[in-house]
Amino acid sequence: KAGVTQTPRYLIKTRGQQVTLSCSPISGHRSVSWYQQTPGQGLQFLFEYFSETQRNKGNFPGRFSGRQFSNSRSEMNVSTLELGDSALYLCASSLASGGDTDTQYFGPGTRLTVL
Amino acid sequence: AQSVAQPEDQVNVAEGNPLTVKCTYSVSGNPYLFWYVQYPNRGLQFLLKYITGDNLVKGSYGFEAEFNKSQTSFHLKKPSALVSDSALYFCAVRDKNRGFKTIFGAGTRLFVKA
Repeated sequence: KAGVTQTPRYLIKTRGQQVTLSCSPISGHRSVSWYQQTPGQGLQFLFEYFSETQRNKGNFPGRFSGRQFSNSRSEMNVSTLELGDSALYLCASSLASGGDTDTQYFGPGTRLTVL
Repeated sequence: AQSVAQPEDQVNVAEGNPLTVKCTYSVSGNPYLFWYVQYPNRGLQFLLKYITGDNLVKGSYGFEAEFNKSQTSFHLKKPSALVSDSALYFCAVRDKNRGFKTIFGAGTRLFVKA
């Protein structure tokens, strides 16, 4: 079974631009979560989607948004990019059949650099 | 509020020696606890989790972890370290009542010397 895939793997943008990142979960997984990883702040939870609905949200500004499609694929969008948005963005998927005890499986991440 | 602490930024061990990576947590309800490992330029790989039951949890690659409720700890252990175990290790906690919002520790870098 294929793992979680994220595209693109690397991205370079300039301040003020917007960016869309994509995540395809493991087949059959219905929950997708997004995390931001930076050297200074570590891993921080952005949001989680299940059945096209946002179930949980972290403490990020409204510039960070996401959505999930009917096939469970998810996109994350960041508008008006700032230098501090440079990070590794990780997507994780889980079955979500048993609720919050399910294991999350992570993709390789998208490395975003904002210049 | 949920929180996770990994008190050591770095752990150094010699190959063949036992290793321990420490983790303590704080949640308002029953904790779900996880360990992940990250290799350079890679995503996180799941090692093991504690949901309920036996306090000693066995996971991938020979790793195990012990849940200690009184000390609110979930230390990761391995009886005999390998050089290939060198990586960044993350402890994570999920509050039973907060869905999939997972809080990660800052990470501990493990160096195993040959």
